Amino acid sequence: GEDVEQSLFLSVREGDSSVINCTYTDSSSTYLYWYKQEPGAGLQLLTYIFSNMDMKQDQRLTVLLNKKDKHLSLRIADTQTGDSAIYFCAESIGAGGGNKLTFGTGTQLKVEL
Amino acid sequence: DAGVIQSPRHEVTEMGQEVTLRCKPISGHDYLFWYRQTMMRGLELLIYFNNNVPIDDSGMPEDRFSAKMPNASFSTLKIQPSEPRDSAVYFCASSFDRGLNEQYFGPGTRLTVT
Repeated sequence: GEDVEQSLFLSVREGDSSVINCTYTDSSSTYLYWYKQEPGAGLQLLTYIFSNMDMKQDQRLTVLLNKKDKHLSLRIADTQTGDSAIYFCAESIGAGGGNKLTFGTGTQLKVEL
Repeated sequence: DAGVIQSPRHEVTEMGQEVTLRCKPISGHDYLFWYRQTMMRGLELLIYFNNNVPIDDSGMPEDRFSAKMPNASFSTLKIQPSEPRDSAVYFCASSFDRGLNEQYFGPGTRLTVT
């Protein structure tokens, strides 16, 4: 089966960096994604990385991809209270899967003052 | 575009009643997805459609659940009869069939079955 795994909780202090980790299963994934879910809202795409890339930087966000280990991480620099949310990694399920994504369990990030 | 629209936002019903959740995807999107989110099971894909045709309903928990997409701008998820264990937040999402395949989520319907 397809399991995308994440740790459930992460707590950081405001101003510190946050690193959220994910392991995925499908080596044929074209894109890997990070979605953010704020309280009471649906998921929203935060950033993504194409599978032939190792790293992508987007302002305070850095995505690292280790294809050999099927490991994806999201680093948030200078974490703010507004970053408190649940973060989901997701992978496409490979050829023939259409637009179906497999989501991880989600990591709840809590930012403390 | 207003984004994915779901109704109602909140639904409280008694066990045994029929519940119908509604979704309007973003205009022009080819795919529509129904998800369920609970603390215990996380985010689960229930069913998805491509061009109004159901493609994969393997996530539908049992026969009490059914979903339809009569046209490109409307889908329903029905639970009949409802049970307390169906209490969850139900999300609808839609996406284009090209490029990044980003899924756009609606705000969700919080269902409580008493």
